[in-house]
Amino acid sequence: GDSVTQMEGPVTLSEEAFLTINCTYTATGYPSLFWYVQYPGEGLQLLLKATKADDKGSNKGFEATYRKETTSFHLEKGSVQVSDSAVYFCALLKAAGNKLTFGGGTRVLVKP
Amino acid sequence: GAGVSQSPSNKVTEKGKDVELRCDPISGHTALYWYRQSLGQGLEFLIYFQGNSAPDKSGLPSDRFSAERTGGSVSTLTIQRTQQEDSAVYLCASSRRNPSSGQAETQYFGPGTRLLVL
Repeated sequence: GDSVTQMEGPVTLSEEAFLTINCTYTATGYPSLFWYVQYPGEGLQLLLKATKADDKGSNKGFEATYRKETTSFHLEKGSVQVSDSAVYFCALLKAAGNKLTFGGGTRVLVKP
Repeated sequence: GAGVSQSPSNKVTEKGKDVELRCDPISGHTALYWYRQSLGQGLEFLIYFQGNSAPDKSGLPSDRFSAERTGGSVSTLTIQRTQQEDSAVYLCASSRRNPSSGQAETQYFGPGTRLLVL
């Protein structure tokens, strides 16, 4: 079946450091890929998405590129802030599918 | 515009009691989803509603769980005879559906209901 694997956390960084969270997936066909973020005490928010191979999603300084050849959708940010402390979830939605399949989430803690 | 709303935000109940969780989707979204977020299982799909079609119940963990969506809008998730392992955050999401492709579009999540079964 479909699955999403992302690096386990917690990831602890200093402010202005470079962040990368690895995400790989297993699915047939051409799924859409998403990153959701959950800030402390809040619900899931869509961070960015990509719907086809080589698409790059970007938002709030975060980027992720849909790599079909490596079945990956790694999340990156060049300079993190304390406010980026959150749990990040990678997810896929199969073409013509309905349900999101999520990775286990990666907790990121940014220290001043 | 208003996002997905859920109530209650927190619910504490005793083992064996029934609970009802409510979700109010974004206006105009025809698709509605329930997910569960628990420490041991991560984020799991529970059930999906699309318009007047039969719901996809493939993610419901047992027959103690049921959901309905009245009038194509508000949905209620009911858990009967709650067990301690039902303790989790229950998330509702809604989306539009692309009329050409039939593909569900981006899902937007509510704040969740945190359920604690004692």
